[in-house]
Amino acid sequence: DTGVSQDPRHKITKRGQNVTFRCDPISEHNRLYWYRQTLGQGPEFLTYFQNEAQLEKSRLLSDRFSAERPKGSFSTLEIQRTEQGDSAMYLCASSSDGSGVPGEQFFGPGTRLTVL
Amino acid sequence: AQTVTQSQPEMSVQEAETVTLSCTYDTSESDYYLFWYKQPPSRQMILVIRQEAYKQQNATENRFSVNFQKAAKSFSLKISDSQLGDAAMYFCAYRRVERTLNNAGNMLTFGGGTRLMVKP
Repeated sequence: DTGVSQDPRHKITKRGQNVTFRCDPISEHNRLYWYRQTLGQGPEFLTYFQNEAQLEKSRLLSDRFSAERPKGSFSTLEIQRTEQGDSAMYLCASSSDGSGVPGEQFFGPGTRLTVL
Repeated sequence: AQTVTQSQPEMSVQEAETVTLSCTYDTSESDYYLFWYKQPPSRQMILVIRQEAYKQQNATENRFSVNFQKAAKSFSLKISDSQLGDAAMYFCAYRRVERTLNNAGNMLTFGGGTRLMVKP
């Protein structure tokens, strides 16, 4: 296993279109997180899964944002009716609650979204 | 709510020299974790070092060490013998101790980052 992977790495879309990003966590990790990073800022937490259960979604930026992790493995983040303000890097991270390093999250390379 | 502040948007260091990156945070919790993450250009973020708030001893990982001042809510990162590969964005992050699964206790709160440049 080579770490957390994200697809696509780059996405350019027009305003109003829907986009979906995929994240594949480290295989033995049961926790998966989504963050958003705007230019020049630190990542901002969006949502989190424990296996297939989405345990925190109140920090999703609007009802246009939704995430799923249907089988407790990969996850998707969808943005509907994209706006220019959605342009950012979307980061995925995973961790194991049995980890010997509490709170260590391993990050993927991110998906950079540009909304024209 | 917890906040993390990095007051140095950019820092520069000569290769082989030592540099210190600053971080302050605000929390009402007594137990928590603090982290420094490194994000190289166009590469993914990796954990550099972590500190448990209940530990008085400052964490050290090879050339990286922290100065954790709990009362002052300060958590600085010292990089010794700087190398060209240390050039990156550095983010300080805070995490509460997890008490229940669904309180987002394990979310990371990040500072705005410090861009470190290393001069050969």
